[in-house]
Amino acid sequence: ETGVTQTPRHLVMGMTNKKSLKCEQHLGHNAMYWYKQSAKKPLELMFVYNFKEQTENNSVPSRFSPECPNSSHLFLHLHTLQPEDSALYLCASSQAQGNTGELFFGEGSRLTVL
Amino acid sequence: GDSVTQMEGPVTLSEEAFLTINCTYTATGYPSLFWYVQYPGEGLQLLLKATKADDKGSNKGFEATYRKETTSFHLEKGSVQVSDSAVYFCALISFNKFYFGSGTKLNVKP
Repeated sequence: ETGVTQTPRHLVMGMTNKKSLKCEQHLGHNAMYWYKQSAKKPLELMFVYNFKEQTENNSVPSRFSPECPNSSHLFLHLHTLQPEDSALYLCASSQAQGNTGELFFGEGSRLTVL
Repeated sequence: GDSVTQMEGPVTLSEEAFLTINCTYTATGYPSLFWYVQYPGEGLQLLLKATKADDKGSNKGFEATYRKETTSFHLEKGSVQVSDSAVYFCALISFNKFYFGSGTKLNVKP
């Protein structure tokens, strides 16, 4: 496999469920990201990890819990979500250095919270 | 702070029409600039990029020129196809941080 792979592609969960989104990158990048994309809203950066260390958390509610066990894998653990959390969750990776480097995105995980 | 502003959509064109999607940016220093495209049901894909002033990025018939004097990076295509229907995002990287515009939806009708 190449690029950035996200699983599952689609997820439906109730508000009391616990589920996880998984992201894997095969590009040798040092940074991984979670973005949230909701209908009619700009892309929202949620978390950034550099070399497995969290370097950014944009005031994301604690019902979203990221985990980065190594530079190639990133998880987003979900629990007691709300219907307004329904969105497309995009994982990305980069080898960003200063003002160069681009983001490579996965296909996204479409989450529906009932 | 750094930011990207792009024209509101949706933009609706007939096939073979000329496309321009405007993008302007605010940044300290010398960012790299990008256009990403998102087809329905997919993630964002890099369409083209430019890393310094006066560079022209191009791919699949799309072009954009890094204009430092006007802080702009407008996306153009001479003749759009139905298959170009998608959402287009302008973005920049500055000091290891990425900034995205709000996206412009393009609808191309046959």
